Amino acid sequence: DAGVIQSPRHEVTEMGQEVTLRCKPISGHDYLFWYRQTMMRGLELLIYFNNNVPIDDSGMPEDRFSAKMPNASFSTLKIQPSEPRDSAVYFCASSIVGGRYGYTFGSGTRLTVV
Amino acid sequence: GEDVEQSLFLSVREGDSSVINCTYTDSSSTYLYWYKQEPGAGLQLLTYIFSNMDMKQDQRLTVLLNKKDKHLSLRIADTQTGDSAIYFCAEIPNYGGSQGNLIFGKGTKLSVKP
Repeated sequence: DAGVIQSPRHEVTEMGQEVTLRCKPISGHDYLFWYRQTMMRGLELLIYFNNNVPIDDSGMPEDRFSAKMPNASFSTLKIQPSEPRDSAVYFCASSIVGGRYGYTFGSGTRLTVV
Repeated sequence: GEDVEQSLFLSVREGDSSVINCTYTDSSSTYLYWYKQEPGAGLQLLTYIFSNMDMKQDQRLTVLLNKKDKHLSLRIADTQTGDSAIYFCAEIPNYGGSQGNLIFGKGTKLSVKP
């Protein structure tokens, strides 16, 4: 398996633009997580899905953020409109068995909003 | 509340042992984890320990768990320059067959001097 695949690796956009981050989890994993990493706040869980259903989105910063998982092999995180304070590295992770054996992380998308 | 604390920096000489410490607050945490993050990469699961264990050893890695003090440590024997990275402690609080969220510490940056 190629692991958790995220795209793009880097994204630079102007304030106010829409940004869409993509994730392909490991086949057979039934949990998918979106995290955000910044120097100030460390790793923050934004939202997670179980069997494509959003379970907890309490970490989503505000209504500008939305996430979908239309099928077991694809998820998106969208920011509209983007702001400079959204600049961070966004990670997707997937797991099985309730995460007992840990999560597998993608390589992340580095987002810069100018 | 849920919180995982780690010291931010550790510097060692090549060949020495490194010990990275972590404290957590949720006594019901069943699994505890150590992740490694190299520059520009995602988080890689190094090892995990179940809460009914005191110690787990895996090659150069030794994990010690003091459940009474809610203290977790990671010892790296014969530390190499390739071990330079950020190490994250993480717990899943209230794991009871249902999915919990991985709560991460802010990470300890390990620098290995030749």
